[in-house]
Amino acid sequence: DVQMTQSPYNLAASPGESVSINCKASKSISKYLAWYQQKPGKANKLLIYDGSTLQSGIPSRFSGSRSGTDFTLTIRSLEPEDFGLYYCQQHNEYPLTFGSGTKLEIK
Amino acid sequence: EVQILETGGGLVKPGGSLRLSCATSGFNFNDYFMNWVRQAPGKGLEWVAQIRNKYYDHGTHYAESLEDRVTISRDDSTSSIYLQVSSLRPEDTAIYYCTRSGSYYWYFDFWGPGTMVTVSS
Repeated sequence: DVQMTQSPYNLAASPGESVSINCKASKSISKYLAWYQQKPGKANKLLIYDGSTLQSGIPSRFSGSRSGTDFTLTIRSLEPEDFGLYYCQQHNEYPLTFGSGTKLEIK
Repeated sequence: EVQILETGGGLVKPGGSLRLSCATSGFNFNDYFMNWVRQAPGKGLEWVAQIRNKYYDHGTHYAESLEDRVTISRDDSTSSIYLQVSSLRPEDTAIYYCTRSGSYYWYFDFWGPGTMVTVSS
């Protein structure tokens, strides 16, 4: 199985700042990584797929990048609604696996 | 508008069984694969199972840790999927989400709100 190592576990930032969340795959998954946002009382939201493709309707302040088996989600100019939990998921092979999550909190 | 709604959760005793349902609307159900993903309280997301569409013969894939206790199925006539879980254990306590993916992509572009399953005596 592909293990997804996500970091950091917790992240505190202020509105207007930029943050990065990382995900490392235990083996090659090509570009096939997705990022999700989870907030209480709302359906989980797909942000990015194929490593760097922005899902329709997602603000351009979200971006994804890849270097080998290392993937990064960057959020520029944080908005208050961006705080929540973020998960990565490899969508290259079965079983589909997730990272352990990053909690983005307001500083 | 894509809509996904899970039902069937509740309190179940260890060793019991449960059938979860997922009703969908707002898209051509026959074009998509469907999945169950779960999340134990305070824990991360765990993919459970996938069922392909009729063009892929309704093929299924399961998480190995659950494969002998779960069965995913779908009813194309009602745009619904199901998850039968047997021999329930306390560690199966989780929110169970129904999600959509595609025949050429295995990320989850739409999620339901989830249904809570609690396994306790």
